[in-house]
Amino acid sequence: GAGVSQSPRYKVTKRGQDVALRCDPISGHVSLYWYRQALGQGPEFLTYFNYEAQQDKSGLPNDRFSAERPEGSISTLTIQRTEQRDSAMYRCASSLAPAGGTYGYTFGSGTRLTVV
Amino acid sequence: KQEVTQIPAALSVPEGENLVLNCSFTDSAIYNLQWFRQDPGKGLTSLLLIQSSQREQTSGRLNASLDKSSGRSTLYIAASQPGDSATYLCAVRNAGGTSYGKLTFGQGTILTVHP
Repeated sequence: GAGVSQSPRYKVTKRGQDVALRCDPISGHVSLYWYRQALGQGPEFLTYFNYEAQQDKSGLPNDRFSAERPEGSISTLTIQRTEQRDSAMYRCASSLAPAGGTYGYTFGSGTRLTVV
Repeated sequence: KQEVTQIPAALSVPEGENLVLNCSFTDSAIYNLQWFRQDPGKGLTSLLLIQSSQREQTSGRLNASLDKSSGRSTLYIAASQPGDSATYLCAVRNAGGTSYGKLTFGQGTILTVHP
């Protein structure tokens, strides 16, 4: 596609429910990144993929968070048993080269998750 | 661990002024540095990307400089306009090690340009 597409744009869920956030990167982009952004803060790294391989998941806060990119294109970030502290903007980015290379990153509009 | 700091946290200026946003980082072993603009309810828009071997990049009224050895970057905005009002984020990508491939962001500078 022309840009990085994230869905849904907004998600309100009850505490304890599982949620799945989707990211569709720019066509042909090799690397894909997930970030989380709290209000008034810069985005914080969660995890990234080169093709279908998860290269670094050191930013995932705990084992309730997981991500996959099975075919090296669309990625899903799943949060199990959501808690109120998970409420944030979740941002996805992609880049043309593995780990970004000399290219920059293109971000999607994000998914605003609210856990009530 | 890489840490990125942006100063000032907020800035309000009258239209037409030239202004400078500052970004500093603790680990000078970076691959590149990218400036983004964030508008409410929207994604991050990339403004300028500076490779570690470069000293500056320019795009229109924007000029970004990089002094890798001192861990600093500045974003210069000339002749500011109300449409420049947004949050500006600086992000560095580390050159290697366990941080390879990920961006570390500053907290941003909230810019308001009033008519």
